[in-house]
Amino acid sequence: QSVLTQPPSVSGAPGQRLTISCTGSSSNIGAGYDVHWYQQVPGTAPKLLIFGNTNRPSGVPDRFSGSKSGTSASLAITGLQSEDEADYYCQSYDSSLSGSVFGGGTKLTVL
Amino acid sequence: QVQLVQSGAEVKKPGASVKVSCKASGYTFTSHFIHWVRQAPGQGLEWMAMINPSGGNTNYAQKFQGRVTMTTDASTSTVYMELSSLRSEDTAVYFCARGDYDFWSGSHWVNPPAFVYWGQGTLVTVSS
Repeated sequence: QSVLTQPPSVSGAPGQRLTISCTGSSSNIGAGYDVHWYQQVPGTAPKLLIFGNTNRPSGVPDRFSGSKSGTSASLAITGLQSEDEADYYCQSYDSSLSGSVFGGGTKLTVL
Repeated sequence: QVQLVQSGAEVKKPGASVKVSCKASGYTFTSHFIHWVRQAPGQGLEWMAMINPSGGNTNYAQKFQGRVTMTTDASTSTVYMELSSLRSEDTAVYFCARGDYDFWSGSHWVNPPAFVYWGQGTLVTVSS
């Protein structure tokens, strides 16, 4: 049971927009800690997509965007492409656990 | 360019210990925390521990306290993670990662780290 809750799977057709939610609590996201997002293709290391809730590292397409409100955060992907098929994870810090925490991950399928 | 290169795959028996290394290059070793994240087969990411190479201060996830130890060798820019009392549930790929975009107050994160740079992963298999 992950401290940050994500939907196990989402799917969409090429070109569509979809969002992945990440729900936390008052000891992590709700406490104001930043949320980061990663993309992981199976068998490889995760790749940072969004840091500090809304910021994209250089090289990440602007089709990816992040937002945060209250105890939740979201990753939005527009213009869905087949190469976006991967697992996505949110990450933050939990003050009760005194450590970084990840969401359980969301498998994105492009139909 | 920044690189984190990990040691090779390990097979261990239950009850044994494993020590995985992560050699950093391409930046000043003492300028960034190094973290360990593991991923069991078919499962999600799990943060385990971190070390500040400048001073050697560590912080371990509650789940692993008493079983995990992180150390550094500044002469070779290498970080080590040792996990003891291994059980089958510890079978996983272990990643080291460099913390970025972060701010540590000395006792807690003000801005928690994001992980831009990752090692290639080390598969640890625990089996009798």
